[in-house]
Amino acid sequence: DTGVSQDPRHKITKRGQNVTFRCDPISEHNRLYWYRQTLGQGPEFLTYFQNEAQLEKSRLLSDRFSAERPKGSFSTLEIQRTEQGDSAMYLCAGGQGTQPQHFGDGTRLSIL
Amino acid sequence: DAKTTQPPSMDCAEGRAANLPCNHSTISGNEYVYWYRQIHSQGPQYIIHGLKNNETNEMASLIITEDRKSSTLILPHATLRDTAVYYCIVRAYNFNKFYFGSGTKLNVKP
Repeated sequence: DTGVSQDPRHKITKRGQNVTFRCDPISEHNRLYWYRQTLGQGPEFLTYFQNEAQLEKSRLLSDRFSAERPKGSFSTLEIQRTEQGDSAMYLCAGGQGTQPQHFGDGTRLSIL
Repeated sequence: DAKTTQPPSMDCAEGRAANLPCNHSTISGNEYVYWYRQIHSQGPQYIIHGLKNNETNEMASLIITEDRKSSTLILPHATLRDTAVYYCIVRAYNFNKFYFGSGTKLNVKP
């Protein structure tokens, strides 16, 4: 158990709907990352927070995607106007200082 | 970050050592080698990491060649539960994101 929890584990929605995922790292994780993973591929970096500051965003993170980490604790990832290509596993990882990242078990998004 | 090259799949008999190779010929002096694994429907699990010395923990051993251009992850006594995709990643400590490749699918067979 890494202590990183993600909710929901599965989300099914219709194309065009908005979805929001939540990640709760452990309190010691001052760093928080979001990744996306499609079938048969390794995870791809989306964005990174140091405490509440969003320090880096991948070009994969289109303007339909937004992530927040208020108060430097939990984080949310929202996708607006979902598209078929958004179907993937969305992974969250927490880290502290120079320690390795520890991942949650992800939210699997399916777009109908 | 340096790129890594791993075989797409490997087989290993249960109870035998599993040796998973990784090539990282363009690694820089400040880049560490990390290994993660991912069991179906779960998030990646941290296994071990190292800079230039060999490392061992309760899960595995990491052997890094002297020129640091390649490494081997060793699972000393593979079990069926070790069947997973294993990712080798190189990353500098002051960079934050991981670049995952496609990894090696390890099949442990009875």
